[in-house]
Amino acid sequence: DGGITQSPKYLFRKEGQNVTLSCEQNLNHDAMYWYRQDPGQGLRLIYYSQIVNDFQKGDIAEGYSVSREKKESFPLTVTSAQKNPTAFYLCASSIDRASGAYNEQFFGPGTRLTVL
Amino acid sequence: AQSVSQHNHHVILSEAASLELGCNYSYGGTVNLFWYVQYPGQHLQLLLKYFSGDPLVKGIKGFEAEFIKSKFSFNLRKPSVQWSDTAEYFCAVNAPAFNKFYFGSGTKLNVKP
Repeated sequence: DGGITQSPKYLFRKEGQNVTLSCEQNLNHDAMYWYRQDPGQGLRLIYYSQIVNDFQKGDIAEGYSVSREKKESFPLTVTSAQKNPTAFYLCASSIDRASGAYNEQFFGPGTRLTVL
Repeated sequence: AQSVSQHNHHVILSEAASLELGCNYSYGGTVNLFWYVQYPGQHLQLLLKYFSGDPLVKGIKGFEAEFIKSKFSFNLRKPSVQWSDTAEYFCAVNAPAFNKFYFGSGTKLNVKP
C-alpha cells in the first residue's frame, strides 16, 4: 500500500523545546516537501529536497531544519527559534522534475503541533 | 516570488447549486496547474490537473476547470454540488522554470443539504 506517512498525528510541545516530525514515503519519489498550513493562509513551503543529501529553504524556513539521509525519509525539526510553531504540518512528495515526468504532489495526513 | 490568488475564501451553497471557484496566478511562462481538495479529516488529494492540450480539464467527482492563459486563470467548476463536496479547495501552480509549487490560500466550501 503506497503512500506517505506522518507521525505523530498530534504533538504537544513546551515552549523552548525542539521537536521532530516524521515523514516517510514508499512511492520511490525523489522530491519531498514540508508545508505549514494555517487557517486562511493556504500552504506555505518550509523546506524541500529533490535528492538525497540535498535540500533547499522554502519561503518560511526560519526556525526549522531538515535532513534527507534516505530517499524515503524527510524529517522536519521545529526548533525553539520558531516564534509561532503551533500549526498543521504537511509533508508531500513528487517525482523529481528532472526525470521529465510532470509532477503532482502526494500528501501525507499531516501532524498538528501545539506549543503549550 | 510567484503568487496564486483565490478570491473566494468561504463559499456557502445549497445542494444542486452550481459552483465556480476562482484561481489566478502571476507567472507569465509555461505552467502546470492543479486543484487539490481537503475533505474534513482527510488527506489533501488531487482533484484535477492541467499540463497541456485541451484547456478544459475534467477531474474526479464531476469537477472541471478551465485554463484561460490570457487571464492567468484556472477556475474550478461543478454544475451541481452535493453535501459531500463540503471541503477546502486549493489551487496550485508549478512550472518547468521553478522546482516548487505555489498554493493559493484556499476556499472553504460549505454545502447545505
